[in-house]
Amino acid sequence: EDQVTQSPEALRLQEGESSSLNCSYTVSGLRGLFWYRQDPGKGPEFLFTLYSAGEEKEKERLKATLTKKESFLHITAPKPEDSATYLCAVQASAGGTSYGKLTFGQGTILTVHP
Amino acid sequence: DAGVIQSPRHEVTEMGQEVTLRCKPISGHNSLFWYRQTMMRGLELLIYFNNNVPIDDSGMPEDRFSAKMPNASFSTLKIQPSEPRDSAVYFCASSLAASRLQYFGPGTRLTVT
Repeated sequence: EDQVTQSPEALRLQEGESSSLNCSYTVSGLRGLFWYRQDPGKGPEFLFTLYSAGEEKEKERLKATLTKKESFLHITAPKPEDSATYLCAVQASAGGTSYGKLTFGQGTILTVHP
Repeated sequence: DAGVIQSPRHEVTEMGQEVTLRCKPISGHNSLFWYRQTMMRGLELLIYFNNNVPIDDSGMPEDRFSAKMPNASFSTLKIQPSEPRDSAVYFCASSLAASRLQYFGPGTRLTVT
């Protein structure tokens, strides 16, 4: 069974204080690892997809990296508007009825104080 | 371009009542997913449809839950009878194909008293 564990559960940062969120996973053949951002009262919003170990993607103050066992979401000089819940999900390789299924972690609640 | 549309956004009902949640996927998307989000269990897949056909319903918690997709632009998730433990936020997501990026709707917050 695919499993995703995110840490920490909650993270409080001061504006400008860089940090990282962790996503550890076990999956029977990784097709893709997804990062989503979720604001209160809204649906998850796509940030990144990573497909293979060593891959990195960046968007503004966010940078996602991937190894064979985990992914990191690095936040550089965060701003209050970066406050949200960040969700990590894995998608297994093709085959069987689970193809396309995303298995999500519990999320990390990020709060950035001005 | 409109994203995934869900209705109602909020639903409050009494235990034992029937609840129907609705979803309109993004036009042209062939795959549709229903998720449930709770504090305890996070975001869980309930069922997914490909080309209007249910492919994986292993996440449907019990027979009280049923889902249909009568056409490419509409899906429903029904709970009958509803119970307080069904209280959660229910999300619908769609994608061009099962393996492609999923776009989520705004969710329906269900409260069963």
